[in-house]
Amino acid sequence: DVKVTQSSRYLVKRTGEKVFLECVQDMDHENMFWYRQDPGLGLRLIYFSYDVKMKEKGDIPEGYSVSREKKERFSLILESASTNQTSMYLCASIDQQGEHQPQHFGDGTRLSIL
Amino acid sequence: LAKTTQPISMDSYEGQEVNITCSHNNIATNDYITWYQQFPSQGPRFIIQGYKTKVTNEVASLFIPADRKSSTLSLPRVSLSDTAVYYCLVGLPSGSARQLTFGSGTQLTVLP
Repeated sequence: DVKVTQSSRYLVKRTGEKVFLECVQDMDHENMFWYRQDPGLGLRLIYFSYDVKMKEKGDIPEGYSVSREKKERFSLILESASTNQTSMYLCASIDQQGEHQPQHFGDGTRLSIL
Repeated sequence: LAKTTQPISMDSYEGQEVNITCSHNNIATNDYITWYQQFPSQGPRFIIQGYKTKVTNEVASLFIPADRKSSTLSLPRVSLSDTAVYYCLVGLPSGSARQLTFGSGTQLTVLP
């Protein structure tokens, strides 16, 4: 079974801090994604990566950056956290090869910015 | 990107069949339709995926009409544990950098 692990379930940070959210997958997947989930808005894609050191902006990249130095790890970075970035953050991965492969999600990090 | 529209919420009773419809008017030729289930404090979990006509697995059925502008997730004989948010996605399932678009989801509440 594919396992996507997010380093923290809950995180509390202060405005202006630099925040790192880490995600690791154990199935050698090429594609990895970061979403945020807010009530009434569903999941919105922040960034995704289709290979090591490769990244593409999603729908709402402003205020975020990402890092993919190793295939299994995809990091989301809040350069200077703001209160409107309080949200649930979900990481996902998907296999590049083969057809009909679903996304595999972690259980999320609930981030609060005070 | 194909946008999806689903009902915000639905209620049902244990043992009933539940049908959740998703509209995706501008679906592209190569797009697949995928449904996910999400429980509180967990990430979404894959339920079923299809391209056209009907797909069935041990959990659900997916009905897709010929024009593919909508799809219906069917859950047979729901139980209390099926209470969750259900997301319809339209896009390429793998092997592409193209984004998969999540809608706002449907909150299904199963009542005793």
